[in-house]
Amino acid sequence: QKEVEQNSGPLSVPEGAIASLNCTYSDRGSQSFFWYRQYSGKSPELIMFIYSNGDKEDGRFTAQLNKASQYVSLLIRDSQPSDSATYLCAVVSSASKIIFGSGTRLSIRP
Amino acid sequence: SAVISQKPSRDICQRGTSLTIQCQVDSQVTMMFWYRQQPGQSLTLIATANQGSEATYESGFVIDKFPISRPNLTFSTLTVSNMSPEDSSIYLCSVEAERGETQYFGPGTRLLVL
Repeated sequence: QKEVEQNSGPLSVPEGAIASLNCTYSDRGSQSFFWYRQYSGKSPELIMFIYSNGDKEDGRFTAQLNKASQYVSLLIRDSQPSDSATYLCAVVSSASKIIFGSGTRLSIRP
Repeated sequence: SAVISQKPSRDICQRGTSLTIQCQVDSQVTMMFWYRQQPGQSLTLIATANQGSEATYESGFVIDKFPISRPNLTFSTLTVSNMSPEDSSIYLCSVEAERGETQYFGPGTRLLVL
């Protein structure tokens, strides 16, 4: 089992709809969770972080964390073509080591 | 967030040669990290570089192949030695954020080995 798992996609979502990206992790002691966006040919860019169970909203982005289910998700409302990118989930393990998922490729179709 | 620059941004190298990648940060940071990202793949941590001590390498990476320098709190280099086509990748440096958990990434160095 991978330490951080994401569906590789591509996930295709129509413009204006909600894109839902999911991530599961294996280390139950993990405390910190991050979402990075990576455009093709560019480096990863931090867009959201969440530490507590529940939802955290920032503009069109909502991160959701469920530690009991070891599940973190990212919702993107009113999806735009500019949201088309690979989204990397990252988890800080109980050993204080950041572990990246393999990423989900999101495509927003006009 | 810290502003991170890398040089070169890209290079094409011949098999058997070495390339040194530089990473410069606009503020002092304790920990710097070097990653590799092969096409279509996620990030693989090569090593952690602390100022004033030897770099700590992850499993599968060795100092002879990827020597790292960290002469001060704002600068680090990664050398890819005796390159082969399998070393073709994007090499990224990153630094810890202020909170000390997440990381910010430099723009990356795109390396192609022929």
